[in-house]
Amino acid sequence: GAVVSQHPSRVICKSGTSVKIECRSLDFQATTMFWYRQFPKQSLMLMATSNEGSKATYEQGVEKDKFLINHASLTLSTLTVTSAHPEDSSFYICSAGSPGDGYTFGSGTRLTVV
Amino acid sequence: KNEVEQSPQNLTAQEGEFITINCSYSVGISALHWLQQHPGGGIVSLFMLSSGKKKHGRLIATINIQEKHSSLHITASHPRDSAVYICAVMSLQAKLVFGAGTILRVKS
Repeated sequence: GAVVSQHPSRVICKSGTSVKIECRSLDFQATTMFWYRQFPKQSLMLMATSNEGSKATYEQGVEKDKFLINHASLTLSTLTVTSAHPEDSSFYICSAGSPGDGYTFGSGTRLTVV
Repeated sequence: KNEVEQSPQNLTAQEGEFITINCSYSVGISALHWLQQHPGGGIVSLFMLSSGKKKHGRLIATINIQEKHSSLHITASHPRDSAVYICAVMSLQAKLVFGAGTILRVKS
């Protein structure tokens, strides 16, 4: 079946630094990938839709300059949290797929900003 | 009111019990997903439904489009089934909307 690999699984960074999270589709091409954020004991919230070769579409309330998304190839999308602050600490997860075929999720990245 | 409501929020069961988790939604959908999230956070897609019923091993998922309701059943539950089960609907605007999840703990 379809596999989505997300890296790193955990990262701790200092306040003010930037962190890059990678999401790769291993055995299929993903023209669209999705980035979600999950706060403790809360549901997943869509942050943005990553489109290969074009700009990402951000959900209302998500700062595009803070959460930079790049989808340079059909198998890789990256999310960069810029100038991270403790309130950015969260669980970030990506998914790839389509409404017709269903979605495969990455294993997630737990970001802690200290 | 959330667009996707799950019940119960927390569920503790004894090994071997039959488990039901419910999901109600208030928006038009093209499909409904049941997802399983393990303690480490990784998410596995269990089912994608647009009508009727699907079965995979000890898991059964049903959906009633008219009533805007879906259920996930686990037969002969086992401690390894302990996880968070999330209902997500694909809206007609092609966006996944997630329920808050049901925390299931199966005791041996």
